[in-house]
Amino acid sequence: SQQGEEDPQALSIQEGENATMNCSYKTSINNLQWYRQNSGRGLVHLILIRSNEREKHSGRLRVTLDTSKKSSSLLITASRAADTASYFCATDARTNAGKSTFGDGTTLTVKP
Amino acid sequence: NAGVTQTPKFQVLKTGQSMTLQCAQDMNHEYMSWYRQDPGMGLRLIHYSVGAGITDQGEVPNGYNVSRSTTEDFPLRLLSAAPSQTSVYFCASSSRGQFANTGELFFGEGSRLTVL
Repeated sequence: SQQGEEDPQALSIQEGENATMNCSYKTSINNLQWYRQNSGRGLVHLILIRSNEREKHSGRLRVTLDTSKKSSSLLITASRAADTASYFCATDARTNAGKSTFGDGTTLTVKP
Repeated sequence: NAGVTQTPKFQVLKTGQSMTLQCAQDMNHEYMSWYRQDPGMGLRLIHYSVGAGITDQGEVPNGYNVSRSTTEDFPLRLLSAAPSQTSVYFCASSSRGQFANTGELFFGEGSRLTVL
């Protein structure tokens, strides 16, 4: 079964708006990562947050992690049409020796 | 650097045929892995390797074999293709290794396989 589950499955917003997507997971983790996948392409790493971190920023990206709720959120501020893609969270569980488990993703559409 | 290179990009097989998906990385990464992605879904781990000569099963290993004779290469073999193996296959590598289980994954562009 999938470790991570993203919510919502699909999100459509206007350019300039903020986009928030959430990820929930089931077991204790070492870290959580977010990836982006443009249509027909491979995944690209966005950001990694460790289990002892609560928030991390990278450019227009802000990631939070709440280990007590086993959840994470990815916020993209001032979205652009180029942000249109699918976004996946991946968890590295403590007991899985480095195997990353992916959720089903959130498909983000940013309308110009 | 080319990063992670997968070949072929597209392949059509008949049920029962065998084939090998190739994956090569030039980043000297110890960790390599194979995932499959079905429509509208995330990635599921097939097999992974934490170094040359070491492989292990992931979530969905049945019907697939791997070997890791060099650091650079990690081929995925389909022994007897079935329609259920129609999918997009991604190879990924990372600097994580046998004793370091954290590190971003670098993905190839995918190999799209159709089994008739």
